[in-house]
Amino acid sequence: VQLLESGGGLVQPGGSLRLSCVASRFTFSDFAMGWVRQAPGKGLEWVSGISIRGDRTFYADSVKGRFTISRDDSKSTLYLQMNSLRVEDTAVYYCAKDWFGERGPDYWGQGTLVTVSS
Amino acid sequence: NFMLTQPHSVSESPGKTVTISCTRSSGSIASSYVQWYQQRPGSSPTTVIYEHKQRLFGVPDRFSGSIDTSSNSASLTISGLKTEDEADYYCQSFDSSTFWVFGGGTKLTVL
Repeated sequence: VQLLESGGGLVQPGGSLRLSCVASRFTFSDFAMGWVRQAPGKGLEWVSGISIRGDRTFYADSVKGRFTISRDDSKSTLYLQMNSLRVEDTAVYYCAKDWFGERGPDYWGQGTLVTVSS
Repeated sequence: NFMLTQPHSVSESPGKTVTISCTRSSGSIASSYVQWYQQRPGSSPTTVIYEHKQRLFGVPDRFSGSIDTSSNSASLTISGLKTEDEADYYCQSFDSSTFWVFGGGTKLTVL
């Protein structure tokens, strides 16, 4: 299993970024996926999840209404559109594959750093 | 919704056994599987235990997981501690309405 995130960077408060996660070495369309972030020196925080086929999406209260998760099974790619970014969204964002039935991640990407600062 | 509470830190000597707890705030700990992740400094998390007590392929049998319904908690036990076990450990479970739920993490120091 390989998960490769991209799209992180420095953005001003109120700005937008789109993260991507390209999956390989497994059948992407057969698994739910999620995003988990880790602020500097802090613990893991679940951000968003998406079901198989993308018919259900889930968001942490801290990002609801600002972030949108989506998937393109034809490209084996997971996305996270982040709008109205805040300083407190600064973190490493990990893409993670669900191991079964939306029960939890089994494989994680290497992470991409998002820094929100003026 | 529920929360998972872990001790902030634990420490133990090499060769000894340490147990990290994970207490569920509401609902039964047995109602949804608990997973455990290890995160070494500067690295992504890796799965250690899934479904309360199953070790992922390649994880040494020094690592074991369990649940205790009387205390509504899960535990990760590491025996024969090695310096390489020094890391942050996170428990995780799930909920049909909120997807994944993580504990706050426990820093294990092997000294």
